Amino acid sequence: ETVMTQSPATLSVFPGERATLSCRASQTVRSDLAWYQQKPGQAPRLLIYDASTRATGIPARFSASGSGTEFTLTISSLQSEDFAVYHCQQYNNWPPKTFGQGTKVEIK
Amino acid sequence: EVQLVESGGGLVKPGGSLRLSCAASGFTFSSSSMNWVRQAPGKGLEWVSSISGSSRYIYYADSVKGRFTISRDNAKNSLFLQMNRLGAEDTAVYYCGKEIGTGSYVDFWGQGTLVTVSS
Repeated sequence: ETVMTQSPATLSVFPGERATLSCRASQTVRSDLAWYQQKPGQAPRLLIYDASTRATGIPARFSASGSGTEFTLTISSLQSEDFAVYHCQQYNNWPPKTFGQGTKVEIK
Repeated sequence: EVQLVESGGGLVKPGGSLRLSCAASGFTFSSSSMNWVRQAPGKGLEWVSSISGSSRYIYYADSVKGRFTISRDNAKNSLFLQMNRLGAEDTAVYYCGKEIGTGSYVDFWGQGTLVTVSS
């Protein structure tokens, strides 16, 4: 099973600042990686797929990069609506399609 | 507009069974692979099961294999998860998710249904 590790667990950021989230895979997942945003009490929402492609309707302030085992999600200037939990998921080595444990982005 | 609406969650005793449903609309259901993903209270997401559009390919997480059965009715645009021999570790919000292609990511999620296993 491919273990996905996200860091940090919690990221405290001022509105308007940049946030950088990391996701590491225990073995290569090539570019088969997605990022999801989840707000309290809501379902996840797809942000990024194939490691760096923004999903439909996702603002340009969200960008992502990486391949193999190291991935990064960057939010260039945090807006109030961006404070949420972010999950990464690999879909290269499956089953199972494994998720990271999530990074909570909170207001500093 | 894509819609996925889960139902069937509730309180069940350990060892009991429950059947979840997911009603789909707004896309060609029969062509889409579907997933169940769960989230225990305060925890991360856990992939549970996937089924291809034709039901030919079905996969399960080891944690549910032999206890859960995924199925679909393409005539009724519905996805199901039959859950047997439930334990406390199965307590979670269960989401159904539409997949792009086969063996990829979930591009749209339902709102989830809560399953609580407790005596």
